[in-house]
Amino acid sequence: EVQLVQSGAEVKKPGESLRISCKGSRYSFTSYWISWVRQMPGKGLEWMGRIDPSDSSVSYSPSFQGHVIISGDKSTSTAYLQWSSLKASDTAMYYCARLFSGYCGSNSCYQFDYWGQGTLVTVSS
Amino acid sequence: DIQMTQSPSSLSASVGDRVTITCRASQSISNYLNWYQQKPGKAPKLLIYAASSLQIGVPSRFSGSGSGTDFTLTISSLQPEDFATYYCQQSYSRLSITFGQGTRLEIK
Repeated sequence: EVQLVQSGAEVKKPGESLRISCKGSRYSFTSYWISWVRQMPGKGLEWMGRIDPSDSSVSYSPSFQGHVIISGDKSTSTAYLQWSSLKASDTAMYYCARLFSGYCGSNSCYQFDYWGQGTLVTVSS
Repeated sequence: DIQMTQSPSSLSASVGDRVTITCRASQSISNYLNWYQQKPGKAPKLLIYAASSLQIGVPSRFSGSGSGTDFTLTISSLQPEDFATYYCQQSYSRLSITFGQGTRLEIK
């Protein structure tokens, strides 16, 4: 079965940098976009942005543009989310998710069909 | 961005009840609407895609309907394992995906 396996929980101090990962397996990694989704403690889901692993093109939600960088390495089937200077407000669970893009009946459809297990990032002094 | 508004924000119901959750988009999104279930400490799980298509492996008591701006998720007969938080999500624009704020379904 398709798997997205994320890196482990992180505890960081404000101002530190961080990169977390999401490794895909048992499917063609370059055939599906990967998105990152934030969930702050006790809150809802927020789409942060996405990468097309086939060409490493990225796009971001306006809320996250300039605050994080999404990248990928198709040779290792891995997507990354990184921060150059963490803030306490970055404390959250971060999920990667695969975006299925295809046809559902006669119409196109796009949905997150597989998710990683989540990476908890805690930023505290 | 397209805004997604779910109602209610929380809901108390009993095992065996029929439950409906609604989701409204700020503009027409055709049928580019998906529903997810999230249990505490777990990743979201896809239930319904393209507004009304049941994801493989999801029980048939879950159903979705709607198009344009108004959508519903219905659980025909609540089971104990259905108590969770439910999110709608629009994919009308793959480059600007948004979720509803969530509906927490609790045991009465």
